Amino acid sequence: KQEVTQIPAALSVPEGENLVLNCSFTDSAIYNLQWFRQDPGKGLTSLLLIQSSQREQTSGRLNASLDKSSGRSTLYIAASQPGDSATYLCAVRGTPLVFGKGTRLSVIA
Amino acid sequence: EAQVTQNPRYLITVTGKKLTVTCSQNMNHEYMSWYRQDPGLGLRQIYYSMNVEVTDKGDVPEGYKVSRKEKRNFPLILESPSPNQTSLYFCASGSTGRMMGDSPLHFGNGTRLTVT
Repeated sequence: KQEVTQIPAALSVPEGENLVLNCSFTDSAIYNLQWFRQDPGKGLTSLLLIQSSQREQTSGRLNASLDKSSGRSTLYIAASQPGDSATYLCAVRGTPLVFGKGTRLSVIA
Repeated sequence: EAQVTQNPRYLITVTGKKLTVTCSQNMNHEYMSWYRQDPGLGLRQIYYSMNVEVTDKGDVPEGYKVSRKEKRNFPLILESPSPNQTSLYFCASGSTGRMMGDSPLHFGNGTRLTVT
């Protein structure tokens, strides 16, 4: 059974820092991995999708990597801003889709 | 605009009173799914559907029913709601088959259900 783990569970950083969020999964038979952002009590906003055949994807200040063989993905956020404060979730799409429990990020001005 | 629409956004009900949460997508997606989100437990899959008339249980199906009579709709039915079903519910849709790898999942805005 696929298990997805996100470390750390919570992170607090000063504004301007570069940071890395981690996602690990146990079954490498996946179609893709998707990173989401969720603000408190709100829905999920898709940030990046990495297909199983890809190594990384970039969007603005965000860069996500995927190492399927080792069961790891990272989300890199450059020059963090207070508006980046949210919970970040990774979702591994195999059969079925499994979410990690998220990393709660606080960026302090 | 491509979207997944859930209704209602907020619902307060009493134990045992049947309710339905609707979910509709306009992207012609084969795959649709329901999740519940609870503090400390994350997002857990309730049911999913790979296509019309095809549904399967997820991790926490007890107390829920679904149906997929049309491609665009995937309602979640609680026949006899109980307080432990108080949660935030999300519907999602996506492509399957050869499109699955490069197809992101699209989520609705959520339904906050309170059962008293």
